Amino acid sequence: EVQLVESGGGLIKPGGSLRLSCAASGLTFSIAWMNWVRQAPGKGLEWVGRIKSKSHGGTTDYAAPVKGRFTISRDESENTVYLQMNSLKTEDTAVYYCATEGYSFGYHSIDSWGQGTQVTVSS
Amino acid sequence: QSALTQPASVSGSPGQSITISCTGTSSDVGGYDYVSWYQHHPGKAPKLMIYAVSNRPSGVSNRFSGSKSGNTASLTISGLQAEDEADYYCSSYTSSSSVVFGGGTKLTVL
Repeated sequence: EVQLVESGGGLIKPGGSLRLSCAASGLTFSIAWMNWVRQAPGKGLEWVGRIKSKSHGGTTDYAAPVKGRFTISRDESENTVYLQMNSLKTEDTAVYYCATEGYSFGYHSIDSWGQGTQVTVSS
Repeated sequence: QSALTQPASVSGSPGQSITISCTGTSSDVGGYDYVSWYQHHPGKAPKLMIYAVSNRPSGVSNRFSGSKSGNTASLTISGLQAEDEADYYCSSYTSSSSVVFGGGTKLTVL
């Protein structure tokens, strides 16, 4: 069973930086495409970005609101994916979920999810 | 990339059927058979209910079904049960290699 555990959330001032981690187990991490999805208070799910597996180039894609501020990376030795968030804005306040894409069922489905970690950007 | 359009809320009585629509464009829903549906109970992790338009992961009740016509996908839940009350989201792969979600639909079981 795939398990994803996020950590690193907290309260941060606008303009600050924060790094989230997602420890993955129960899967072959090296072939997994890893995503970050967020949910702001009272709002719906919003895709943040992904990092492909090394065999697919390990490239990253980002949603427009975070492009240039957020960076996704992965550590194959630790089975961990990271979300580095810089120049944080109040509108980045959300629960951040780590998730696999297409790992179990293909077709770009977001098929396994973590429990999420809360990020609050406030002065 | 604009969010896919879903109704904000739907409701039904136990035993009834409901359908939630998800409208996009030819650059997402209409262009690929990569539409998924998720059930989200507040405070919990979202759960994949349908992938590739109409496929159910093992363990998901056959009361849940998906379909697509043109730029609109649909999720139908038959034989509504109290435990189905949750938020439901659609998602689609897009022509810009991103993923886009719908705005979400709150299902109330009366």
